[in-house]
Amino acid sequence: KAGVTQTPRYLIKTRGQQVTLSCSPISGHRSVSWYQQTPGQGLQFLFEYFSETQRNKGNFPGRFSGRQFSNSRSEMNVSTLELGDSALYLCASSPVGPGYEQYFGPGTRLTVT
Amino acid sequence: DAKTTQPPSMDCAEGRAANLPCNHSTISGNEYVYWYRQIHSQGPQYIIHGLKNNETNEMASLIITEDRKSSTLILPHATLRDTAVYYCIVRVESQGGKLIFGQGTELSVKP
Repeated sequence: KAGVTQTPRYLIKTRGQQVTLSCSPISGHRSVSWYQQTPGQGLQFLFEYFSETQRNKGNFPGRFSGRQFSNSRSEMNVSTLELGDSALYLCASSPVGPGYEQYFGPGTRLTVT
Repeated sequence: DAKTTQPPSMDCAEGRAANLPCNHSTISGNEYVYWYRQIHSQGPQYIIHGLKNNETNEMASLIITEDRKSSTLILPHATLRDTAVYYCIVRVESQGGKLIFGQGTELSVKP
């Protein structure tokens, strides 16, 4: 099976712009979670989608949003980018909910200048 | 906040077993212990998980104490490629797929 794929892998944006990141889960997986990783804060949970519904959300401002499509592919959007949004954004998928391991993609490295 | 405590760093000689400890004293009865590792700048890699019993797979073994307040991840024959940050995570079942990562243990395998 192909793994979790994320596009683009690298991205450079300027402050105030918005960005959309994409995640394709492993075939058959219905849950997609997003994480942000920075040197200062480590890995932090953003949100989780399951069957096109947001099931869980972390402590991030409303500028961070996401959605999931009927084929389980997911996108996350960050509006009005700030320098502090520079991070590695990771997507993870799992078959269903609790008790199943999550498989992570390689991440999208976002740099905000 | 993360429900686990891990040493920030450990060293291990190549070919020897690496034993990574984790404390999770507030774990609830239906919460699983998961281990992931992250090699520099890559996405975290799932290693193993367990609830009560010890578990073993092709990568590692997970030993959970009888009171479930701590666990140990064992890499039986560490190689240089096992150098990574290892995260022990207690999965909060009431929060669905959410994984709360702590700071992890940076394992350095030395020749």
